[in-house]
Amino acid sequence: QQQVKQSPQSLIVQKGGIPIINCAYENTAFDYFPWYQQFPGKGPALLIAIRPDVSEKKEGRFTISFNKSAKQFSLHIMDSQPGDSATYFCAARATGNQFYFGTGTSLTVIP
Amino acid sequence: DAGVTQSPTHLIKTRGQQVTLRCSPKSGHDTVSWYQQALGQGPQFIFQYYEEEERQRGNIPDRFSGHQFPNYSSELNVNALLLGDSALYLCASSDRDRGPYPHFGNGTRLTVT
Repeated sequence: QQQVKQSPQSLIVQKGGIPIINCAYENTAFDYFPWYQQFPGKGPALLIAIRPDVSEKKEGRFTISFNKSAKQFSLHIMDSQPGDSATYFCAARATGNQFYFGTGTSLTVIP
Repeated sequence: DAGVTQSPTHLIKTRGQQVTLRCSPKSGHDTVSWYQQALGQGPQFIFQYYEEEERQRGNIPDRFSGHQFPNYSSELNVNALLLGDSALYLCASSDRDRGPYPHFGNGTRLTVT
């Protein structure tokens, strides 16, 4: 059973576009919600994270929107660049410090 | 400031063999977690070590075991390898006092033939 459901599986946008990746969860005990970026041959790198008491967080071109009542959160990438082409994972932490990851979204930004 | 380092980067083993993977955490981090990432999937939690003890374990077979040393480095051992154990094994470290988010190494690519 997938604890964190991520969509879409893949995404292609033009340079300057705003890709949006969505995640949904059921476990109300989740308390930390990070996003990771992974390039081929590399480990996932922490991109941005949010706590459930905040509805939005921005860091540079990356924004997380969080809807606690709907148990959904999403990543928006403003003014996307070809260098943003990577796989993105959402995650959520359960009690005991175990993180559950989504299945990933492969983003391609076309120049 | 060195990040999380893992060795080896690639490994090929035969079904039934045993393997040991190694990890050095990011400087200042005291907690080490191991994840298994199958091709095209997200990382799946294996277990977490803190103060040299296994603190949390995921839904993973007993063939998987680990260890944390006094210098916070860690090992992951897998016995009786199966073809399905082929994956990228990621080590992640964190600091319980400064934030829970795992910081990942680049992983060990294990291929079981």
